[in-house]
Amino acid sequence: DAGVIQSPRHEVTEMGQEVTLRCKPISGHDYLFWYRQTMMRGLELLIYFNNNVPIDDSGMPEDRFSAKMPNASFSTLKIQPSEPRDSAVYFCASSPRTYEQYFGPGTRLTVT
Amino acid sequence: AQTVTQSQPEMSVQEAETVTLSCTYDTSESDYYLFWYKQPPSRQMILVIRQEAYKQQNATENRFSVNFQKAAKSFSLKISDSQLGDAAMYFCAYKTSYDKVIFGPGTSLSVIP
Repeated sequence: DAGVIQSPRHEVTEMGQEVTLRCKPISGHDYLFWYRQTMMRGLELLIYFNNNVPIDDSGMPEDRFSAKMPNASFSTLKIQPSEPRDSAVYFCASSPRTYEQYFGPGTRLTVT
Repeated sequence: AQTVTQSQPEMSVQEAETVTLSCTYDTSESDYYLFWYKQPPSRQMILVIRQEAYKQQNATENRFSVNFQKAAKSFSLKISDSQLGDAAMYFCAYKTSYDKVIFGPGTSLSVIP
């Protein structure tokens, strides 16, 4: 199994631009999570899905952030418009019904 | 609301020695899962060990073991025979009954040769 796949691994963009982060979870996993990691705030849960349905999006910072999971093998996190304070590492993770999460390698986003 | 606290922002240990990382959590649930994750400089999050709250026996994985004190809501990680490759950020995590996972702020572990 290839594990959780995220793309791109690095993204540098200018303020105001739209950014789309992509995630392919492990096949058969029912849950998908999006996290953001910064030095100041640590690891923050943004949103998570169960069987492609968003369950809890209370961690999404504001309306500029949106996430979708159109099918069991693909999810996106979109930021529009992006701001410098969105600079962070964004992780996607998937898990089976219970138990541990399997993390992707993360996307390092830099907004200038 | 559930919270996870790691009171040691940084720890260091001599190679081959033993170190214990602390974690406490707050919850009103009786059934839950606890985890320790490791994040080396590569930033890949790696599961170290898992503990089910209904199990009294402490989980162990090779050199890694936990001391789970349910009444005290404490979940510490012991690393024995520390190796240079153990240097990383360690996160304690709690999984709620509705499958949300809450992470602590992390402890940065340095291993001194």
